[in-house]
Amino acid sequence: SQQGEEDPQALSIQEGENATMNCSYKTSINNLQWYRQNSGRGLVHLILIRSNEREKHSGRLRVTLDTSKKSSSLLITASRAADTASYFCATISSGSARQLTFGSGTQLTVLP
Amino acid sequence: DSGVTQTPKHLITATGQRVTLRCSPRSGDLSVYWYQQSLDQGLQFLIQYYNGEERAKGNILERFSAQQFPDLHSELNLSSLELGDSALYFCASSVSTGANSYNEQFFGPGTRLTVL
Repeated sequence: SQQGEEDPQALSIQEGENATMNCSYKTSINNLQWYRQNSGRGLVHLILIRSNEREKHSGRLRVTLDTSKKSSSLLITASRAADTASYFCATISSGSARQLTFGSGTQLTVLP
Repeated sequence: DSGVTQTPKHLITATGQRVTLRCSPRSGDLSVYWYQQSLDQGLQFLIQYYNGEERAKGNILERFSAQQFPDLHSELNLSSLELGDSALYFCASSVSTGANSYNEQFFGPGTRLTVL
């Protein structure tokens, strides 16, 4: 079963605008990761944030984590047409399991 | 390129048949994970192997099985295939060293299985 939901399910913006995607999860986690998937292709790891971190940056990406609300957000700044993809959050629980539990994904379309 | 390879890229077969999907992890990665992505179920964890041994099981059907070989490559066997097994099957690998290691996973390009 999936860990939680992502919001919005779909997002359409103009090039140059910022895109924000939200993710909620249900259980205690060790870390939360964001992945990108271009249409029907493999998943690309974007960023990992650990449960004791609140914010992390990587290039044009900013991720926040609020463990009290069991939620995370991914901000893509100055978006480009090449950012068009599906974005998934995935969690690894704080137990012994190492597998990722994925959210339902946000389909981002960046219009040129 | 993640360094994880999967073969074949596409597989078309009929109901009732059996297929084998193959995965080679990144060099040095001991853990291999299998995931299924379908329209109705989304991305779901199937099974994990670590250094040849089964480590965790998820929503894997009894008709499915997997193994990891001494050279660390892994195979996912799907038998008595049904229409609903049509999906993208991903393999991922990670270093996973130590009891407290929770690393990112690197995904292969996937195998698209179509059951007719």
